[in-house]
Amino acid sequence: DVKVTQSSRYLVKRTGEKVFLECVQDMDHENMFWYRQDPGLGLRLIYFSYDVKMKEKGDIPEGYSVSREKKERFSLILESASTNQTSMYLCASSLIGANTEAFFGQGTRLTVV
Amino acid sequence: DAKTTQPPSMDCAEGRAANLPCNHSTISGNEYVYWYRQIHSQGPQYIIHGLKNNETNEMASLIITEDRKSSTLILPHATLRDTAVYYCIAAARVGAQKLVFGQGTRLTINP
Repeated sequence: DVKVTQSSRYLVKRTGEKVFLECVQDMDHENMFWYRQDPGLGLRLIYFSYDVKMKEKGDIPEGYSVSREKKERFSLILESASTNQTSMYLCASSLIGANTEAFFGQGTRLTVV
Repeated sequence: DAKTTQPPSMDCAEGRAANLPCNHSTISGNEYVYWYRQIHSQGPQYIIHGLKNNETNEMASLIITEDRKSSTLILPHATLRDTAVYYCIAAARVGAQKLVFGQGTRLTINP
């Protein structure tokens, strides 16, 4: 079975801290994604990557950056955490091409105080 | 990617078939229809997808109209564990795939 693992289930950080959210997948998928989910707003795409060192902005990239140095790992970086970045963060991965599905991690609930 | 429209909420009795509609009237020829669901406090889970033919797997059936402007996800014998938010997505599968989730339908299965 495909496994997408996010490094933390719950995280509490202080305003202004640099925060790293890590995601690892074990199925050699080309695509990886970062979403955030907030009540009433659904899942919103922050960034995605379709290859090592490649990245594309999603719908809400402001305040975030990403890193993909290895195929299996996709990191989301909050350069200076703010309280409005308190949210559930979800990582996903998939193969490129037709007839593929995305697999999601269990999510990281980040609270910025 | 085409925009999809779903009812915000639905109820279904346990043991009955749950039929979840989705409208995607602007879908283009190379876009698939995907369904995912999200059970509370978990990441979304893939259910099924199709292009123009009806599809069935161990979880559900997907019925796509001939003009492809709408589809219905069918859970044939709903159980309490099927209570979740169900997302319908229209997305192309060329090069990098980008899944954009809407608000989905909150399905409640009642005992």
